[in-house]
Amino acid sequence: GESVGLHLPTLSVQEGDNSIINCAYSNSASDYFIWYKQESGKGPQFIIDIRSNMDKRQGQRVTVLLNKTVKHLSLQIAATQPGDSAVYFCAEQYSSASKIIFGSGTRLSIRP
Amino acid sequence: GAGVSQSPSNKVTEKGKDVELRCDPISGHTALYWYRQSLGQGLEFLIYFQGNSAPDKSGLPSDRFSAERTGGSVSTLTIQRTQQEDSAVYLCASSFGRSDTIYFGEGSWLTVV
Repeated sequence: GESVGLHLPTLSVQEGDNSIINCAYSNSASDYFIWYKQESGKGPQFIIDIRSNMDKRQGQRVTVLLNKTVKHLSLQIAATQPGDSAVYFCAEQYSSASKIIFGSGTRLSIRP
Repeated sequence: GAGVSQSPSNKVTEKGKDVELRCDPISGHTALYWYRQSLGQGLEFLIYFQGNSAPDKSGLPSDRFSAERTGGSVSTLTIQRTQQEDSAVYLCASSFGRSDTIYFGEGSWLTVV
């Protein structure tokens, strides 16, 4: 079925290290991918997106990589900070449909 | 306003009662989405509005759920005869159009007792 899955439900990272959150998607027709951050009690916050005609996109301290061959998406956070603690969701949108499909999320925790 | 506004932020209702949840999208955004998030879970798509097009209702879980969008702006999600399994956070989001950045509100926390 249609799904966006995550390899790890939880991730613990030392403060200052880089974090890598992975995501697999199943529909090769998806053409738009997004990463969201959700802090406790708040709505999801847009982090970065990438379209299928790209394989890498960089933002401030974050990089998204898209590997269409293996249908894999990753979010890299450089120099992880305590404020990065949250649940991270990847999401995909199909070229012929309107809805955005979200994964189940990865909780990122930061060790001091 | 600057962001997506949802009300009420918290709602406790008795089983069997009807509830209405309101979403005020970002000004100028033509696309509006409703999602549901149960505790510790991902986001479940409910319904999508785009301009004057017919809404995509494919995610509504039952006929107790309905939504409308008046004047292309404010949207109301209505749940009739609420059940305990309806307890969740209902999130609204808006964007300029499909495949444009989607911005979420803070959600309406619904508890059915």
